[in-house]
Amino acid sequence: GQNIDQPTEMTATEGAIVQINCTYQTSGFNGLFWYQQHAGEAPTFLSYNVLDGLEEKGRFSSFLSRSKGYSYLLLKELQMKDSASYLCAVRVPLGGATNKLIFGTGTLLAVQP
Amino acid sequence: GAGVSQSPSNKVTEKGKDVELRCDPISGHTALYWYRQSLGQGLEFLIYFQGNSAPDKSGLPSDRFSAERTGGSVSTLTIQRTQQEDSAVYLCASSSRAGEGTDTQYFGPGTRLTVL
Repeated sequence: GQNIDQPTEMTATEGAIVQINCTYQTSGFNGLFWYQQHAGEAPTFLSYNVLDGLEEKGRFSSFLSRSKGYSYLLLKELQMKDSASYLCAVRVPLGGATNKLIFGTGTLLAVQP
Repeated sequence: GAGVSQSPSNKVTEKGKDVELRCDPISGHTALYWYRQSLGQGLEFLIYFQGNSAPDKSGLPSDRFSAERTGGSVSTLTIQRTQQEDSAVYLCASSSRAGEGTDTQYFGPGTRLTVL
């Protein structure tokens, strides 16, 4: 089966750092993605990890440990506009050369002044 | 176009009616995906098209759901005899190279379907 777990909600303060965790158990692994989704809008791509380690992109960083089935998204210098849902997604093989994304339910982050 | 577009943005229908949802992917993208997002749920994969290959329909929840992609571009998702549990936001995404590298999927704004 496919299972991706992330906290449902988190609250953090403007200017602070927040870490959103994601654990997964999937039949196959071909990369892990983080997406940001503001209320009523489409998800937008944030980061991609396929090898173990940390990928840094400005205020956002994403970490992956394949042996532990674990990833986190780190947001620094939080801004009010970072209030959104953060979706963890694992790409799993469908067969042949095709893949699909399995999404977690998302973590709703509220940034407070 | 500049991004993935979907129409209509909102659709309200009566139980038992058929609906068609449209997706225009980014020009040149060969891969197209349909997802469903219900309230409080994650994105649920429905169907995937890659070029001219047969689509992967493994995520379709019932035989009331079908999709086609004409000319390798525009796609239509059809739901027949709609039920109240079909109420959700239906999202379409496209990517340039399915399953390779970052293979970033770009999402459309979605169609919010409400079945009364």
